Amino acid sequence: QQPVQSPQAVILREGEDAVINCSSSKALYSVHWYRQKHGEAPVFLMILLKGGEQKGHDKISASFNEKKQQSSLYLTASQLSYSGTYFCGTEDSNYQLIWGAGTKLIIKP
Amino acid sequence: NAGVTQTPKFQVLKTGQSMTLQCAQDMNHEYMSWYRQDPGMGLRLIHYSVGAGITDQGEVPNGYNVSRSTTEDFPLRLLSAAPSQTSVYFCASRRTGEGANVLTFGAGSRLTVL
Repeated sequence: QQPVQSPQAVILREGEDAVINCSSSKALYSVHWYRQKHGEAPVFLMILLKGGEQKGHDKISASFNEKKQQSSLYLTASQLSYSGTYFCGTEDSNYQLIWGAGTKLIIKP
Repeated sequence: NAGVTQTPKFQVLKTGQSMTLQCAQDMNHEYMSWYRQDPGMGLRLIHYSVGAGITDQGEVPNGYNVSRSTTEDFPLRLLSAAPSQTSVYFCASRRTGEGANVLTFGAGSRLTVL
């Protein structure tokens, strides 16, 4: 079942912070976060494993609450390059990755 | 190191025609998968494979066939194309097992069915 992402879209000024949430109705093995620019393939940001978390970039971090089956992506002091659509992917014990519908992030100067 | 290579990048078909989207990876990844991406709907899993000779259905498998005869290749076949299959298709691969297994995507194949 597809994880639910919120918000669907967010508009920020450069330098502002944002939080993107991802929740699942299934028990999770890991959560993956990717960013996609228009017309391009998704690009890896970070992966969070059951029992821990990993930080992919300095100003982009994430948390993983296994009990609540939720993950959040935090973007601090956003830059114009952060614009794009962010996807969370949830993985179950059968290695199957299912993706949320995405959160469109627009950064204005 | 080429990563994940998809061909063709663009394809136009008529309803009822068949075609194969090719996907190859040179990273010795056990897991390979096909997704379709439609506007506003994110990535939907079509089929996936955890090793040569093993395939399984994802969320939207109808109208598509796959096979995995080698570790490197995972072609996606459309036997009788329909306009509803107009989409952007991504192939992706990664390792399996314990640990952080990053999914590497191909550049995508844009398919239009008239």
